[in-house]
Order: sequence, then C-alpha cells, then structure tokens
Amino acid sequence: DAGVIQSPRHEVTEMGQEVTLRCKPISGHDYLFWYRQTMMRGLELLIYFNNNVPIDDSGMPEDRFSAKMPNASFSTLKIQPSEPRDSAVYFCASSSLRGSYNEQFFGPGTRLTVL
Amino acid sequence: GDSVTQMEGPVTLSEEAFLTINCTYTATGYPSLFWYVQYPGEGLQLLLKATKADDKGSNKGFEATYRKETTSFHLEKGSVQVSDSAVYFCALSKKGAQKLVFGQGTRLTINP
Repeated sequence: DAGVIQSPRHEVTEMGQEVTLRCKPISGHDYLFWYRQTMMRGLELLIYFNNNVPIDDSGMPEDRFSAKMPNASFSTLKIQPSEPRDSAVYFCASSSLRGSYNEQFFGPGTRLTVL
Repeated sequence: GDSVTQMEGPVTLSEEAFLTINCTYTATGYPSLFWYVQYPGEGLQLLLKATKADDKGSNKGFEATYRKETTSFHLEKGSVQVSDSAVYFCALSKKGAQKLVFGQGTRLTINP
C-alpha cells in the first residue's frame, strides 16, 4: 500500500486566496483525520470523519475552514479566504477499527505558507 | 477533559547516552497509551503502545511502561543514536475511540 497520500506537498499563496488541500487515505480505512501543526500551538486535531461522515469538527478554527469527504478514498480541507496565520503543516491521517488498535497512519503533510 | 503532558524540550544528548522522556496523563477510565515519532520532514508514525496497566510497549530499543498508579508512560532508551533525533509525541485514546489526544511533543537531538 502507498500509505496516506497528500497533495500538494508545499503550497505558497497570497492572503485572501482560496487553498485546497487533498488527502487519499489508506484503502479500507474508515476513519480520516485532519491535523494542523505549528511551532506555537503544536499538533491540533481539526476534524475527523467516520465512513465519510464528519464526527467532530470542534477543532476547526473558524468558518474560513471547511472539510469534505465525498467518498472513502478522498478528502479535502479548504481555507477561504486564507490568512498569514493559517501558515502551518497540515497532516491527514487514517485508521481502521479492524487494524492495529487505534494506530493512525499519517501522510507526509502539506506545508502551507500564506504571504 | 483528557490531557497529556510531556517534559519540555528540546532535549540534547550525546550518542550512546540514556534517554528518558517523561509523559503523564489525565483521563477517566483506562485509556490506551502511545508514543509516536516524527522524523524531520515527515508525518508521525507509531513507535510503541500499551493498552492496559503494567503493559510494556517496546520497539527499536525504546520502551515505555503503563503505570496507572502514577498515571505515567515514560519513554526510555538505553543507548541513543544520531538517527533517533526526532520529535516524540505521547498520546492517549479512550477505549473504543479512534480519536487520539496528543501531548505537545518533545524535540530530541542526538550529537555524535
């Protein structure tokens, strides 16, 4: 298996632009998580899905952030409009109750820079 | 709510030194405990885990024992290598839940 795939790996954009981050979870996994990592705030859980349904979005910082999972093999995290304080590394992770107990598999991350 | 507290970093050691990274948790019930490692430029990956009190998780020379009486899960390694330089995260999850609660991470640097 190729593992969790994220794209793009790096994104540089200007303030006010729309940014879309993409994630392909490991095939057969039924949980998908979006995290944000910064030096100041560490690793934060933004939202997670179970069987394509959002379960907990309490970590989404504000209405500028939205996430979707239209099918079991694809999810997006969108920021519109983007702001410099959104600069961070965004990770997607997936897991399965059928697999190793609570082990989440992380993608390589998308490094977002908002100028 | 549930929380995980790790020792402040960064931690800098010489090669072959003994490593301890402290982790304590607050949670109701009997959570499962984990250590994840993040190498430079990569995502997190599971290092070891323990699912009940007194369990010892081990992998790649690292060990951690689930101590319910002290609510701790300290990470240890007898002889560290330069390749162990990374950020280490302690985490917990409640029984039946997939969501993880992470500590703030501890950056470890090993000098040759």
